[in-house]
Amino acid sequence: DIVVTQTPLSLSVTPGQPAAISCKSSQSLLHIDGNTYVYWYLQKAGQAPQVLIHELSNRFSGVPDRFSGSGSGTDFTLTISRVEAEDVGIYYCMQGKQIPATFGQGTKLEI
Amino acid sequence: QLQLQQSGPGLVKPSETLSLTCSVSGGSVSDNNFLWGWIRQPPGKELDWIGSGTYSGTTYYNPSLKSRVTISVDMSRNQFSLKLTSVTAADTAIYYCARMKNWAAAVTWGQGTLVTVSS
Repeated sequence: DIVVTQTPLSLSVTPGQPAAISCKSSQSLLHIDGNTYVYWYLQKAGQAPQVLIHELSNRFSGVPDRFSGSGSGTDFTLTISRVEAEDVGIYYCMQGKQIPATFGQGTKLEI
Repeated sequence: QLQLQQSGPGLVKPSETLSLTCSVSGGSVSDNNFLWGWIRQPPGKELDWIGSGTYSGTTYYNPSLKSRVTISVDMSRNQFSLKLTSVTAADTAIYYCARMKNWAAAVTWGQGTLVTVSS
């Protein structure tokens, strides 16, 4: 299985300040079809996860533009340009290049 | 807007079969643009991808569960289901159904069902 490792595991941010979460995979997530199959999810307390970013850097419909995904190969980053109070929760990175899809341990963002 | 409504028992005995159903409204399970899948989350732990499938019968399973899991899609009822046989305490988790944009990525999630395996 591809191992996905996130850092940090917790993050405390002042509203209005930026935040970045790192995700590293044990193998390259660049597929032969040219896509990089990295996804980012946010799970708010007591809720199901919601998708933020798909295929490395594409914001899902309705996701604010303060969220952005970047990276290549085995190193990826989710950046929040200006954190808002509603962004608290656990962020997960996921690889979808190879079965089984695997998730990182999660990064808890607090305000 | 697509909505997924999960149903099924919250308590299953060890060695028995876990069965959950996800009813789809505001969309169709026969939509060729999507697959239908299940992800679980043991209490306090990270997410665990179970698998996904299409209405035509194509399925993708986590190899760690492959011998025990079945995902099926029912066009006539516009729903899909998960069956996991021979459950143990390690299968205790919140189970989520989801619409998937490909075999891996859930883009719309159900509300989740806590399933506890205990006698």
